[in-house]
Amino acid sequence: EAGVAQSPRYKIIEKRQSVAFWCNPISGHATLYWYQQILGQGPKLLIQFQNNGVVDDSQLPKDRFSAERLKGVDSTLKIQPAKLEDSAVYLCASSLDRTSPEQFFGPGTRLTVL
Amino acid sequence: AQTVTQSQPEMSVQEAETVTLSCTYDTSESDYYLFWYKQPPSRQMILVIRQEAYKQQNATENRFSVNFQKAAKSFSLKISDSQLGDAAMYFCAYRSPYSGTYKYIFGTGTRLKVLA
Repeated sequence: EAGVAQSPRYKIIEKRQSVAFWCNPISGHATLYWYQQILGQGPKLLIQFQNNGVVDDSQLPKDRFSAERLKGVDSTLKIQPAKLEDSAVYLCASSLDRTSPEQFFGPGTRLTVL
Repeated sequence: AQTVTQSQPEMSVQEAETVTLSCTYDTSESDYYLFWYKQPPSRQMILVIRQEAYKQQNATENRFSVNFQKAAKSFSLKISDSQLGDAAMYFCAYRSPYSGTYKYIFGTGTRLKVLA
């Protein structure tokens, strides 16, 4: 069974530029999560999708971050414009559905904003 | 609001020895899930072990076991016969089964070094 796929693995941009991350969850998983993990901290949930609907985006900085999961499968997270404090690892995870206790993580994208 | 605290930023263990990583949490709920995740330098979070709060028996997965103390709100991870491949960041996480969003809350992590 293929795991959660993410791309790119690394990205370096200048502040005020835009960037996009892509995630393809495990086949058949209805729930998809995007996390932000700042160095030295645990992952923080940015947004949670159930199929193509948003369940929780309470911690997503909506003035600069956006995410979509149009067909209920893969998802894109965008930052526009990026700030220095957005430097972090962005992790995507998926689970069978919202009630499933286990989530499976992708390898993450390390973003550096200069 | 629920919180998860890992008070050990870094731990070291000699290869083949045993080490215990600590985690405490705060919640007013009676039923929930607790997890330990491993994050090696490759960054991919890997589930190590899971505990359901309603189960009194401590979870065990091969060399990994937990000491779940519900009244004390403590959830420690014991790694026996430590191997070089165990070196990684370890995160404790909490999840409520009843929350509308089923949000996971992670601790700040413990870096485990395994000495040859």
